[in-house]
Amino acid sequence: GEDVEQSLFLSVREGDSSVINCTYTDSSSTYLYWYKQEPGAGLQLLTYIFSNMDMKQDQRLTVLLNKKDKHLSLRIADTQTGDSAIYFCAEQSDYKLSFGAGTTVTVRA
Amino acid sequence: DGGITQSPKYLFRKEGQNVTLSCEQNLNHDAMYWYRQDPGQGLRLIYYSQIVNDFQKGDIAEGYSVSREKKESFPLTVTSAQKNPTAFYLCATRRPNTGELFFGEGSRLTVL
Repeated sequence: GEDVEQSLFLSVREGDSSVINCTYTDSSSTYLYWYKQEPGAGLQLLTYIFSNMDMKQDQRLTVLLNKKDKHLSLRIADTQTGDSAIYFCAEQSDYKLSFGAGTTVTVRA
Repeated sequence: DGGITQSPKYLFRKEGQNVTLSCEQNLNHDAMYWYRQDPGQGLRLIYYSQIVNDFQKGDIAEGYSVSREKKESFPLTVTSAQKNPTAFYLCATRRPNTGELFFGEGSRLTVL
């Protein structure tokens, strides 16, 4: 079965980089995803990475994938107060997505 | 605008009552999903439908029912058999090529 794990909390100073880590279990996952959720809202896709890639960069976001260790990370450069939210990683398996518990990122001035 | 509409945004119900949460999409996606979100537990899959007139149980289907009579609509009924229904419910559709999910804004159900 799928089991996606992530740390629950991260506190970062404004302007610093944030790194959120995730481990997954399904080695056959074709895509892995990062979503962002603001209070009381649905999830918004931030980025995704295809399983044959090691890295993907999109403006302030950098995704690193280590397939051997089944480890995924999301780096947010120059973290801003608007980046405060819950971040979920997800793996795809059999037309379904399995989500981690979410990492709550708090940006302090 | 293309998107997913969930209603109502907030719902209160008494114990023993069934309630139905609406999910409508105009993205022309075949697959639709219902997830439940509880604090600290992430999202858990309740039901999903890959095509009209077909749906499958997810990981926590007990106490819930769905229908998929139209491509655009995938309503979720929370029955009185669901022992702990207070939660945030999220509906989603899936883009075929990349598999990403698009989410509605959610419905928060509180049982009094």
